[in-house]
Amino acid sequence: QVQLVQSGGGVLQTGRSLRLSCAASGFTFRVYAMHWVRQAPGKGLEWLAAISYDGSNKYYADSLKGRFTISRDNSKNTLYLQMNSLRAEDTAIYYCARDKGDCSGPSCHYYFDYWGQGTLVTVSS
Amino acid sequence: EIVMTQSPATLSVSPGERATLSCRGSQSISSNLAWYQQKPGQAPRLLIYGASTRATGIPARFSGSGSGTEFTLTISSLQSEDFAVYYCQQYNKWPRITFGPGTKVDIK
Repeated sequence: QVQLVQSGGGVLQTGRSLRLSCAASGFTFRVYAMHWVRQAPGKGLEWLAAISYDGSNKYYADSLKGRFTISRDNSKNTLYLQMNSLRAEDTAIYYCARDKGDCSGPSCHYYFDYWGQGTLVTVSS
Repeated sequence: EIVMTQSPATLSVSPGERATLSCRGSQSISSNLAWYQQKPGQAPRLLIYGASTRATGIPARFSGSGSGTEFTLTISSLQSEDFAVYYCQQYNKWPRITFGPGTKVDIK
């Protein structure tokens, strides 16, 4: 079965760096685009970044201002999010998600059909 | 950026009743809309994509409609497990997707 297992969260001080991982299994990881989404405590969902199936294209939310980097290692079936210069407002649960990229019909649909379990990142001063 | 809005913010419904949730885009997104359900402590779960297509395993009591800028998620007869927060998501500007702020469905 499809699984996305996340790791790497924790508590850290402002200005520090952290790398999140998302290990995929149960499907052919290398053919799917992947995303990171976060959710601040008690708030809604915020899209952060996306990466194409082969890692050649990366996209980011403007709000990140270049502090985060998405990457993937298809040989290890793993997605990463490198987070630098962390701020208190980065405190959130971070989710990885698989982009279905469903083009089986007359048009393509890009929805998130599987999500990781989420990992909590707490940034404090 | 396409801004998604949802109404109401909270919907109080009795079990067995019908719930109607609304989602609006700041510009036309055709039918490039998905709905997700999120329960406390859990990751979001895909319900609907293409504005009206139920995802695999989603009960028939969930239905979606709309196109352009106005969308609706209807739960025909609320079950206890349906009390949750519901988010709409546009993917018309993929990969720069955006979510609505959510509608919380709670027990009346």
